[in-house]
Amino acid sequence: ETGVTQTPRHLVMGMTNKKSLKCEQHLGHNAMYWYKQSAKKPLELMFVYSLEERVENNSVPSRFSPECPNSSHLFLHLHTLQPEDSALYLCASSQERWGYGRGQETQYFGPGTRLLVL
Amino acid sequence: KQEVTQIPAALSVPEGENLVLNCSFTDSAIYNLQWFRQDPGKGLTSLLLIQSSQREQTSGRLNASLDKSSGRSTLYIAASQPGDSATYLCAVMDSNYQLIWGAGTKLIIKP
Repeated sequence: ETGVTQTPRHLVMGMTNKKSLKCEQHLGHNAMYWYKQSAKKPLELMFVYSLEERVENNSVPSRFSPECPNSSHLFLHLHTLQPEDSALYLCASSQERWGYGRGQETQYFGPGTRLLVL
Repeated sequence: KQEVTQIPAALSVPEGENLVLNCSFTDSAIYNLQWFRQDPGKGLTSLLLIQSSQREQTSGRLNASLDKSSGRSTLYIAASQPGDSATYLCAVMDSNYQLIWGAGTKLIIKP
């Protein structure tokens, strides 16, 4: 295991529901990331947090709302999603945010949450 | 804008064969290139990281090469095994410290 856990592993929700994805890392890392992986497409970076502060938001729709209460936990709050938001949502962590470490830091990924929006 | 391409999208080979996976990128101004493995229902696992100043990295039966000038990297897998079946992803870190990902090559090793 990589030391990064995600819950739930699978989620089905309607377009009017509100749900949250949770990520926890046990590696003592300072940076955490949310990615979206759609079928046969490259990973899309959604959010980056460094020391609990959001440093990047890659033009993600406001129906996705991240929260990082401490350096070990990361949430992705979902509301009024669209069917095209169905995808695998991956969380990752690294010792430091890109470019701030000794070398470009390897990211450790969780198993992902498979989301289906009906 | 940096773009990363992996061809083929899928590959099926008999067990025991040596094989090469390809990754190409459009902008040679990169900090590093990484190869990841993704198993069904699981997250990504980093296999090899090549710094921009390096030409190759090796780990067990895996060897990754980097040719920045031509914008290419290859992942060589020796003596393939059914356990090597997975999707292999290539990612480059560009000059803005952004990881740019390829769509992956799905590899099936037939027993």
